[in-house]
Amino acid sequence: EPEVTQTPSHQVTQMGQEVILRCVPISNHLYFYWYRQILGQKVEFLVSFYNNEISEKSEIFDDQFSVERPDGSNFTLKIRSTKLEDSAMYFCASPSLGHFSYNEQFFGPGTRLTVL
Amino acid sequence: SQQGEEDPQALSIQEGENATMNCSYKTSINNLQWYRQNSGRGLVHLILIRSNEREKHSGRLRVTLDTSKKSSSLLITASRAADTASYFCATDGRNTDKLIFGTGTRLQVFP
Repeated sequence: EPEVTQTPSHQVTQMGQEVILRCVPISNHLYFYWYRQILGQKVEFLVSFYNNEISEKSEIFDDQFSVERPDGSNFTLKIRSTKLEDSAMYFCASPSLGHFSYNEQFFGPGTRLTVL
Repeated sequence: SQQGEEDPQALSIQEGENATMNCSYKTSINNLQWYRQNSGRGLVHLILIRSNEREKHSGRLRVTLDTSKKSSSLLITASRAADTASYFCATDGRNTDKLIFGTGTRLQVFP
């Protein structure tokens, strides 16, 4: 299975602080996704990103969230002012065929975000 | 809205037995995927079945898809203690590649 990596594995922050979660998707891919999973709940879609633009986002992905690909390889999710309810596991995903999205989505190991 | 629901919510079996998990969804799909998640860990992709397929195998896994009933099943044969995990189905849609996940089935396999 192609590898998607994420850093950090665990991030602890104070409410109101900004956090940046990082993902290194499968190389040469154009499609990327962020999902989150609040403890004990189902995995929820946040945003999809294609060719350096957001292609779709959920209601969860409000103005406090942003995504970018600053250097052509890393893919970041920023939360500007964290809230307690942002505590969750955040997953980055990349499809098996980078230029076609309707295929297997491979997930990274996740970043556990804890907001105190 | 497109939504996957799995049943049962929890399943406990002995090693060597078969485990069957079911998933239902509401809208038309292109693909349905199954994932495994060990407690607090990442999502491991198991298998993808396309909307024009009815059955697919991968090792000890067998997945079926019935688009008329909007349902899928995952069968794990000859289960092992290492199969203990949560299993999720996830669907995309006709006009979207985002995945909608089900609520998951927690499988416990006792040695």
